[in-house]
Amino acid sequence: QSALTQPRSVSGSPGQSVAISCTGTSNDVGGYNYVSWYQQHPGKVPKLMIYDVSQRPSGVPDRFSGSKSGNTASLTISGLQADDEADYYCCSHAGYNSHWVFGGGTKLTVL
Amino acid sequence: EVQLVESGGGLVQPGGSLRLSCGVSGFTFSSYEMNWVRQAPGKGLEWVSYISSSGSNIDYEDSVKGRFTVSRDNAKNSLYLQMNSLRAEDTAVYFCARERQTSGFDSWGQGTLVTVSS
Repeated sequence: QSALTQPRSVSGSPGQSVAISCTGTSNDVGGYNYVSWYQQHPGKVPKLMIYDVSQRPSGVPDRFSGSKSGNTASLTISGLQADDEADYYCCSHAGYNSHWVFGGGTKLTVL
Repeated sequence: EVQLVESGGGLVQPGGSLRLSCGVSGFTFSSYEMNWVRQAPGKGLEWVSYISSSGSNIDYEDSVKGRFTVSRDNAKNSLYLQMNSLRAEDTAVYFCARERQTSGFDSWGQGTLVTVSS
């Protein structure tokens, strides 16, 4: 199972919006509405930000939103804040032989 | 409070074995599917293994199939990963992660470092 494709880096200024894409295939992203997104600060444990493509766990600000079109999922962060600077990973269900597959990760820099 | 605590990591020679444990508290362990996820130094997250709530369904990432075995003891609130025939490329921090009913790993342990080196 190949990793999902994410841009290696994105950047934005405080207050702006950025979008991070996550491209897979019809066997994973396109085939299931089971995409999740994780934020990971350096040296820290990953934190669930979005599940089931567009749902936010309690406590996650509504500045974070998720969507999907075809084989590509996206995480959009609006009103960028300094603390949003982190690595972001997407993850998708990939069927019952591979179960889950992660993206390679995207480093978000807040300028 | 939900807690997951991994243990068992360390330095092992290529070809060696290690058994990781993940003790949990603060939730009904037997109701949740669980996973192992690893992260090599400076690299991204990689899913390793899945086990259903009862332990009857199990999945592995291709590179660990035949070498790693996941198991759980619901009476002891514990998850395990037996790792055999370890390779240098298995060097990583190993996290246990609780899986939501549909998608998403909503709770993670702090991780345990496995280093495979001679």
